[in-house]
This record gives sequence, C-alpha cells and structure tokens, in this order.
Amino acid sequence: DSGVTQTPKHLITATGQRVTLRCSPRSGDLSVYWYQQSLDQGLQFLIQYYNGEERAKGNILERFSAQQFPDLHSELNLSSLELGDSALYFCASSVGGSGGLSYNEQFFGPGTRLTVL
Amino acid sequence: AQSVTQLDSQVPVFEEAPVELRCNYSSSVSVYLFWYVQYPNQGLQLLLKYLSGSTLVKGINGFEAEFNKSQTSFHLRKPSVHISDTAEYFCAVSDEYNFNKFYFGSGTKLNVKP
Repeated sequence: DSGVTQTPKHLITATGQRVTLRCSPRSGDLSVYWYQQSLDQGLQFLIQYYNGEERAKGNILERFSAQQFPDLHSELNLSSLELGDSALYFCASSVGGSGGLSYNEQFFGPGTRLTVL
Repeated sequence: AQSVTQLDSQVPVFEEAPVELRCNYSSSVSVYLFWYVQYPNQGLQLLLKYLSGSTLVKGINGFEAEFNKSQTSFHLRKPSVHISDTAEYFCAVSDEYNFNKFYFGSGTKLNVKP
C-alpha cells in the first residue's frame, strides 16, 4: 500500500458524459501527478500540481482538466468523453516537486479504471 | 522530448533462470532513468533508479540495472527469477528540464513459468 488513495476504483459511463476522478496523496506530500495508461498510448504523464498550483503539463487533452485543493487532494475532470478515453488513470504523489531540477520519488495509487461505452 | 523504447513486449522465462529486460532511451543531455514494476491490478512501484554515480544500480527484489551512456541503454537484469516476479515492467526517463516529469516505455510483460 503506497498510501495514495484513488476513488472510484471503476467507472463506467457513456460517450459525451463528464466524470471526476479523485486522488488523496500520502500524508505530507505536496505534489500530485496524473497519468493515463491505455492500450493505444501506453503510460503517459498528464499533469502535475504542487501545493495547489500547476507545475508541469504533459499530453493532457483540452477536454481534461485537473485541480488540487487546499487539503491537497486532487481531482481530474474528463468531459465530452470518447471511446478512446477508456483507460486506467493513475495518481501519484511526492513530498516535493516545486521545481523541476530536483528529483522527488513518486508513489503511485492503485488507479481508476474508466470504461466509456 | 525524451523517448523510451522497450524492444520486448513479452518475455517468457523459466523459474530460476536469469532474465534481461531491455530499455533504450533517446536523450543527448543528462537525465534520470527508472524501472517500475506493475503487478496485476495494482499501481506502479519503483524498482530502482539511476540519478548519478555508479552505473550499476541495485534495486529491490534482487533486480539491478546498468546505465550505459554510449549505448543510451538502461537494461534491467535479475540472475534468478521467481514466479512472483511475473508482472509488467516499465522503463522511464525524466524530462531534461523537469526531473519529476517522466516518459515511459511501452512496457515488458515478464511471464515466469514453473
């Protein structure tokens, strides 16, 4: 158990809908990272937040957005869902990550499996 | 941006045999390298990392990897595998400007047979 929790574990929805995935980081961690794991694209970095502010962006679609709240939990919002958005979405957390030039070990949650029908 | 190539999508091996999982990366600057393991229905777990120093890196569960800058490789090895090593293994490289932003390979499924 990494200490990172993600809810829900599974989510089934229809095309065109909007969903919200939630992540609670390990106690004391200030950074949250979101990743997408799909059969087509593999494992891709989406976005990082540090203490409520966006720090790094990857291959995140405009239909997707994220935020980190004052209590440090984070939500990933996916809208206008398409079949291709079906994937496993991981959240990870680390203690630091405010700057890019120091490494911080990331601890991964168990993921949320999203199925778009 | 950096990229990572894992040439073998699946590697079958018998228990107690040695194994090598290959990873090549593309980068002309200094980056950090990682191997993660994903057991069925679980998240990723860090096996080992190369940040600097000795090119031979030892990780958990008896795994080790060797950083070869001239060949831009970071192959993962274990001298004797167990059934419990059956999992998917991902190689990753950090972004050159942000060491907390990773680029992952496509993964290698290690299937250890009795």
